[in-house]
Amino acid sequence: DAGVIQSPRHEVTEMGQEVTLRCKPISGHNSLFWYRQTMMRGLELLIYFNNNVPIDDSGMPEDRFSAKMPNASFSTLKIQPSEPRDSAVYFCASSLWVSINSPLHFGNGTRLTVT
Amino acid sequence: DQQVKQNSPSLSVQEGRISILNCDYTNSMFDYFLWYKKYPAEGPTFLISISSIKDKNEDGRFTVFLNKSAKHLSLHIVPSQPGDSAVYFCAAPRGPGGYNKLIFGAGTRLAVHP
Repeated sequence: DAGVIQSPRHEVTEMGQEVTLRCKPISGHNSLFWYRQTMMRGLELLIYFNNNVPIDDSGMPEDRFSAKMPNASFSTLKIQPSEPRDSAVYFCASSLWVSINSPLHFGNGTRLTVT
Repeated sequence: DQQVKQNSPSLSVQEGRISILNCDYTNSMFDYFLWYKKYPAEGPTFLISISSIKDKNEDGRFTVFLNKSAKHLSLHIVPSQPGDSAVYFCAAPRGPGGYNKLIFGAGTRLAVHP
């Protein structure tokens, strides 16, 4: 099993540009989570999906952020327009739903730098 | 509102000794706790968990203790090894709807030196 795959690993963009982060969850997992890690706020949950349906997006900071999961094997997190304060490491994670014995499996993250 | 707190940003331990990482929480409704370990440039990986119906859970060199009255948990690593050097996050599910809507502490960076 390749684990959760995120791309790109690093993204550098200019303020105002659109940024799209991609995630492929572990096959068979039906829950997908987007987390963001910053120095100020640590690891925080942005949004999560169950069976491709967004369940809770209360952590999405602004309307500039949007996430989709068109099928069970792919999700995107889009920031449009991007701002320097969006600079962070964005993690995607997957798991089986409501299963104590199936903890989150994280990808290696996308380090986003907005200049 | 920091519901899960790790007040020690770093810890340095000699190889072979015990490492104790601490975590405090404020929400008495939390019923499950997890520890994740994170190496640089990688995502966090699950280490060990404990349900609130227990006060101890052990897995090899790792033991988590839970003191519900004090709203405190700790992770013990015995013996510590250089490969344990990483950032350790304490986490708890933040509400109904599944055990993976996690609130994470700020993390403690453990350095195990020879």
